[in-house]
Amino acid sequence: GDSVTQTEGLVTLTEGLPVMLNCTYQTIYSNPFLFWYVHYLNESPRLLLKSSTDNKRTEHQGFHATLHKSSSSFHLQKSSAQLSDSALYYCALSPTSSSFSKLVFGQGTSLSVVP
Amino acid sequence: DTTVKQNPRYKLARVGKPVNLICSQTMNHDTMYWYQKKPNQAPKLLLFYYDKILNREADTFEKFQSSRPNNSFCSLYIGSAGLEYSAMYLCASSSNWRAETLYFGSGTRLTVL
Repeated sequence: GDSVTQTEGLVTLTEGLPVMLNCTYQTIYSNPFLFWYVHYLNESPRLLLKSSTDNKRTEHQGFHATLHKSSSSFHLQKSSAQLSDSALYYCALSPTSSSFSKLVFGQGTSLSVVP
Repeated sequence: DTTVKQNPRYKLARVGKPVNLICSQTMNHDTMYWYQKKPNQAPKLLLFYYDKILNREADTFEKFQSSRPNNSFCSLYIGSAGLEYSAMYLCASSSNWRAETLYFGSGTRLTVL
């Protein structure tokens, strides 16, 4: 079945260093949609990035990701981590555009940015 | 206003007792979802409503009930709570079942003792 695998557990970074959170997926469908959701403490999870276009970089709020169908990846990156980036990050997959109600989430990666 | 509200924020329940969680949204969204999130696990879709049609996931079919008396409101009901129900429950909505973006509430943390 469809699945999403993320960098496991807790990632701790020093402020100013680059961020890379890995996300790979499995699906039999050739045109999946990939998403990154971010969940800050005491807030609601919200959409950060989304893409369905192969090899096209998508950016929002300093973060960027590129869907690579050849490697089934959608890694989240940022050039310089900020303290305010500390949060739980979820990668999610929608196998087809016919229904986004069946989003498949990864287990989440907790990012902690320290001074 | 993109707001999904969940009540209560924290809920304590006894084993064997019923639990009712509440979610509301003010965006006139057609579709509302309930997810269960346990530590170090992916959020798991329990069920969703498209308009008045309830869709429940096969592996949780008998464990959770839901009602949607109007477009804005959706509840999640557990008839007899077990220890395994302890989790964060996230409600979300989208403009329709084909919409790409989910809007989440801040969650209800349920602890069953």
